Amino acid sequence: EAGVTQSPTHLIKTRGQQATLRCSPISGHTSVYWYQQALGLGLQFLLWYDEGEERNRGNFPPRFSGRQFPNYSSELNVNALELEDSALYLCASSLGQHNEKLFFGSGTQLSVL
Amino acid sequence: GQQVMQIPQYQHVQEGEDFTTYCNSSTTLSNIQWYKQRPGGHPVFLIQLVKSGEVKKQKRLTFQFGEAKKNSSLHITATQTTDVGTYFCAINTGNQFYFGTGTSLTVIP
Repeated sequence: EAGVTQSPTHLIKTRGQQATLRCSPISGHTSVYWYQQALGLGLQFLLWYDEGEERNRGNFPPRFSGRQFPNYSSELNVNALELEDSALYLCASSLGQHNEKLFFGSGTQLSVL
Repeated sequence: GQQVMQIPQYQHVQEGEDFTTYCNSSTTLSNIQWYKQRPGGHPVFLIQLVKSGEVKKQKRLTFQFGEAKKNSSLHITATQTTDVGTYFCAINTGNQFYFGTGTSLTVIP
């Protein structure tokens, strides 16, 4: 069974540009979570999607947005990139039930120059 | 919002020594999970604790959930170089998963 897949693995952008990160959850998982992990830091919650709807978002500006498609894959969009957006962006999926565990993808390393 | 304090932030141990990381919350928790992230890798689920006072073991790893369900610990007996990584506790509130700040473990051969 395939795990959570994220693309691209690495992404290099310049300030002011827009970035799109993609995530495919494990088959059968309806929930997708996005986290930002800056170098040496913890996981900061960005967004949670379940059954195609945005269920919750973390304390990030509106230029961080996303969506979930009917096949439960998800996109994270970051507009007007800033230098401090450079980080590892992790996607995780779960069955969407209470007390479920998260399965993480390998992440997209975003570098903003 | 939910706050989860995790200590210590860093721990260096000689191979063979024991290691413990602690996770504390100001509120009563319904559950707590532990994840491990190897250097350059992604977090991987280790275990979930749900019951008050629960203790679970995985080989050299012992996980405990406090009686008041406000704290948890992960203890590794006789560390090995394969234990290197960052250990995170996480709380599922139903709206999101809150992750602790993590404890980075370095094992010196």
